[in-house]
Amino acid sequence: ELKVEQNPLFLSMQEGKNYTIYCNYSTTSDRLYWYRQDPGKSLESLFVLLSNGAVKQEGRLMASLDTKARLSTLHITAAVHDLSATYFCAVDPNTDKLIFGTGTRLQVFP
Amino acid sequence: DAGVIQSPRHEVTEMGQEVTLRCKPISGHDYLFWYRQTMMRGLELLIYFNNNVPIDDSGMPEDRFSAKMPNASFSTLKIQPSEPRDSAVYFCASSFLGWGYTFGSGTRLTVV
Repeated sequence: ELKVEQNPLFLSMQEGKNYTIYCNYSTTSDRLYWYRQDPGKSLESLFVLLSNGAVKQEGRLMASLDTKARLSTLHITAAVHDLSATYFCAVDPNTDKLIFGTGTRLQVFP
Repeated sequence: DAGVIQSPRHEVTEMGQEVTLRCKPISGHDYLFWYRQTMMRGLELLIYFNNNVPIDDSGMPEDRFSAKMPNASFSTLKIQPSEPRDSAVYFCASSFLGWGYTFGSGTRLTVV
């Protein structure tokens, strides 16, 4: 059974600081997704990573994928309050369905 | 495109009642997924369809849960009878060829 683990589960960081969220998964996969969820809202797609070594960036967020290590990272640069949300990674174990990680709740404070 | 449309947005029902959640996927998408989100268990995949056919229902928690997709533009998730532990947010999502999953706004179900 595919397991997708994220750490940390909760992250409180000061504005302007950098930090990384980690996503480990237990089986082979060609696709890894990152989503953002604001409280009481739906899931918003951030990135799709399709191959080993893939790196994507949007604003202060950068995601990368290492398929050999079965690891993806979401790096936050110079955090701002607007980035406060819960971030999920999700893995497609080559079966066209997404299995989600536990989520990382990010709070950015002044 | 209006995106994935779910109804109702909120549902409060009494234990033992039947509950039906509805989903309209994005036009042209061939996959439809039902997820449940709770604080304790996170986001769980309940069932998914491909071209209206159920492919994997291993996540459906009990026989009280059933899902149908009578056509490409409509799906239902039914709970009968409902129990307080079914309280959660239920999301529907759709994708095309297994790419680009788009989620609906969710239905917040409360069973009292």
